[in-house]
Amino acid sequence: KQEVTQIPAALSVPEGENLVLNCSFTDSAIYNLQWFRQDPGKGLTSLLLIQSSQREQTSGRLNASLDKSSGRSTLYIAASQPGDSATYLCAVRRYSSASKIIFGSGTRLSIRP
Amino acid sequence: GAGVSQSPRYKVAKRGQDVALRCDPISGHVSLFWYQQALGQGPEFLTYFQNEAQLDKSGLPSDRFFAERPEGSVSTLKIQRTQQEDSAVYLCASSLARHNGNTIYFGEGSWLTVV
Repeated sequence: KQEVTQIPAALSVPEGENLVLNCSFTDSAIYNLQWFRQDPGKGLTSLLLIQSSQREQTSGRLNASLDKSSGRSTLYIAASQPGDSATYLCAVRRYSSASKIIFGSGTRLSIRP
Repeated sequence: GAGVSQSPRYKVAKRGQDVALRCDPISGHVSLFWYQQALGQGPEFLTYFQNEAQLDKSGLPSDRFFAERPEGSVSTLKIQRTQQEDSAVYLCASSLARHNGNTIYFGEGSWLTVV
């Protein structure tokens, strides 16, 4: 059974810092991994999608890496801003059950002005 | 529409009442997903459609939950005889094609409270 874990569950840092969010998964036979952002009371917004053949993806101040062999992904946020405050979720899609995307519980990020 | 649209946004149901939640996916999107999200948790898979075919319903928690997508576009998630543990946010998502590499897009969810 695929399990996705995100540590820490919550993180508070001052504005301007670079930070890393972690995601680990137990079954390395994944099709892809996706990072989402969720604001309070809102749905999920896709940030970055990494295919299993890729090592990383970048979008603006965000960089996501994928190491399938160790079952890990990181989301790097450069020069954090108060507007980055949200919950960040990672999700994996397995080969064995590709219709079902498995989510972690998220990291609740707060950027202090 | 420009994004995935869900209605109602908020629903308060008395225990035992039936509810229906609607999802309008992005036009032309083949794949449609329903997820359930409890407070402070990540979304949990409920069911998956490819066009009008329900290919995976393994996440539906009981036979009180039923989903349909009769014409391959709009989908409805129905919960019969609601119970307090059904209180959650129900998220709908869609993606362009059957290819599993596509990004999936989520709606803002239907917030269900059973009292």
